[in-house]
Amino acid sequence: DSGVTQTPKHLITATGQRVTLRCSPRSGDLSVYWYQQSLDQGLQFLIHYYNGEERAKGNILERFSAQQFPDLHSELNLSSLELGDSALYFCASSGQQLGGEKLFFGSGTQLSVL
Amino acid sequence: GESVGLHLPTLSVQEGDNSIINCAYSNSASDYFIWYKQESGKGPQFIIDIRSNMDKRQGQRVTVLLNKTVKHLSLQIAATQPGDSAVYFCAENRQHAGGTSYGKLTFGQGTILTVHP
Repeated sequence: DSGVTQTPKHLITATGQRVTLRCSPRSGDLSVYWYQQSLDQGLQFLIHYYNGEERAKGNILERFSAQQFPDLHSELNLSSLELGDSALYFCASSGQQLGGEKLFFGSGTQLSVL
Repeated sequence: GESVGLHLPTLSVQEGDNSIINCAYSNSASDYFIWYKQESGKGPQFIIDIRSNMDKRQGQRVTVLLNKTVKHLSLQIAATQPGDSAVYFCAENRQHAGGTSYGKLTFGQGTILTVHP
């Protein structure tokens, strides 16, 4: 168990809908990262938050947004969903702000857009 | 474009054999490399890491080798066990212009390791 908790584990929704994925980092970790895993794109970095502030953005669509709350949990919001958004979404956490540290990944949320 | 890629998408070995999983990277500015293991239904699990100022690092039954000259990374698993069956990803961390990288890992496509009893 990595100590990173993601909910829900599975999510099935329809095109055009909006969903929220939740992540609780390991106790004490200030950094939260979101990654998307799909068969054609592999693991892609989406966004990084450190202590409530956005630190880096990757290949994140404008329809997607994230935030990190004062209690350090994070939410990834996906709106106007398309079939191609179906993927595994992982959250990871670490204790440091800068890169060069190992990330601890949650078990992911499997999103299916029908 | 720049990427981290694996030479072999699948690898099958017998229990007890040593396994070697390879990875090529293209960005010479990368200074931190990590191997992750992903089992079915789970998130990537950290195995071992290495910084660019090192050539070799050993863990429990695993060794990572880094050859900066040819931009090649390998993961060696000794006495491979059925529980080692998983997808293995290499990942690199690239320095931004300001010298920070914020854990923005770039992952390779992965190698499926199958260990036969």
